[in-house]
Amino acid sequence: NAGVTQTPKFQVLKTGQSMTLQCAQDMNHEYMSWYRQDPGMGLRLIHYSVGAGITDQGEVPNGYNVSRSTTEDFPLRLLSAAPSQTSVYFCASSRGQTSGNTDTQYFGPGTRLTVL
Amino acid sequence: DQQVKQNSPSLSVQEGRISILNCDYTNSMFDYFLWYKKYPAEGPTFLISISSIKDKNEDGRFTVFLNKSAKHLSLHIVPSQPGDSAVYFCAASAQRANSKLTFGKGITLSVRP
Repeated sequence: NAGVTQTPKFQVLKTGQSMTLQCAQDMNHEYMSWYRQDPGMGLRLIHYSVGAGITDQGEVPNGYNVSRSTTEDFPLRLLSAAPSQTSVYFCASSRGQTSGNTDTQYFGPGTRLTVL
Repeated sequence: DQQVKQNSPSLSVQEGRISILNCDYTNSMFDYFLWYKKYPAEGPTFLISISSIKDKNEDGRFTVFLNKSAKHLSLHIVPSQPGDSAVYFCAASAQRANSKLTFGKGITLSVRP
């Protein structure tokens, strides 16, 4: 199993550009989430999904869109990048409630995004 | 308003001694708590967790203690090893399937040989 994979590892954008951060997992996990980590801050939840076709907002959703058309993939879209979106982005997945127990989240290696 | 607080940004301990990392929370709805370890340029990796129905959970060198009345938890690492040097995040969830984790800011642990 590759686990949770994220592409690209690094990206530099200009203000106003759009891009999509890719996230995929091969563990057949129901739940997937996107977090951002900024210096001196913990990870903050952007959006999450409890299954294909279902998404919801987290703590800091503004400026980001998500969709979940398959169990495996959960892309994060920046429609018009701003310098405030310079951050490290982590995707995570977990088995979810069908496991019957509280489950842990598995994180990808991250995407380091710089917006100029 | 920070719901999960890790007030000490860093901790340095001697190899072989105990490391104690503290975490406080304010949200009474949190019922599941996790510790994650993070190396530079990598994603966080799960270390240990505890449900609010317990006050202690142990896994090898790692033990997490939960004091619900004080809204406080701590991670004990005994004995500490140089490979334990990393950033440790405390996280909490108000849902059993923890799809929504709230993280603290993290503590940088340095274990001196």
